[in-house]
Amino acid sequence: GAGVSQTPSNKVTEKGKYVELRCDPISGHTALYWYRQSLGQGPEFLIYFQGTGAADDSGLPNDRFFAVRPEGSVSTLKIQRTERGDSAVYLCASSPGGDNEQFFGPGTRLTVL
Amino acid sequence: LAKTTQPISMDSYEGQEVNITCSHNNIATNDYITWYQQFPSQGPRFIIQGYKTKVTNEVASLFIPADRKSSTLSLPRVSLSDTAVYYCLVGEHNYGQNFVFGPGTRLSVLP
Repeated sequence: GAGVSQTPSNKVTEKGKYVELRCDPISGHTALYWYRQSLGQGPEFLIYFQGTGAADDSGLPNDRFFAVRPEGSVSTLKIQRTERGDSAVYLCASSPGGDNEQFFGPGTRLTVL
Repeated sequence: LAKTTQPISMDSYEGQEVNITCSHNNIATNDYITWYQQFPSQGPRFIIQGYKTKVTNEVASLFIPADRKSSTLSLPRVSLSDTAVYYCLVGEHNYGQNFVFGPGTRLSVLP
């Protein structure tokens, strides 16, 4: 079956611009997670959704970052006023529930010039 | 917050057994130990999870001593395609800021 998909695969933007990153989880998975991964580092937790609600958003670095999952399926990570330090690979994962193994997508590589 | 320590890198040859040890000295009673694998340009992939003693699946084995302060991921007869970064995570839940991917162990399998 289809895995987690993320679009776009690459995004180049300029400092100060707004970006949206999309995640399509595996059908039927109620839990969805966003991570950020810098070169040579492991993924860093950003936010976890259970259904439509953000169950844990403690990893969002500041108020420029926001994520939604309005219908409990697709999720969008939104970054306002992008900074060069936001450049990273943004990974999305889903799981059947909150404490199951996570299935990761291929990520979106964000480059802020 | 149970912190983990793993070797930064390891080299092996095809056909050998590889053991990657992770230290987690302050693991809590309710914490599980989970390992993920990540290939270049891909997201991590779950390998195995355990609480104590030994867990085995079709991919790997996980050995956890009685004090649970460390764990060892064992990959039998590695191939070139096992070249990847391996992450050890410790946590009560499989999510959140306490479920931390450190820098991992970069395994290189040589021919």
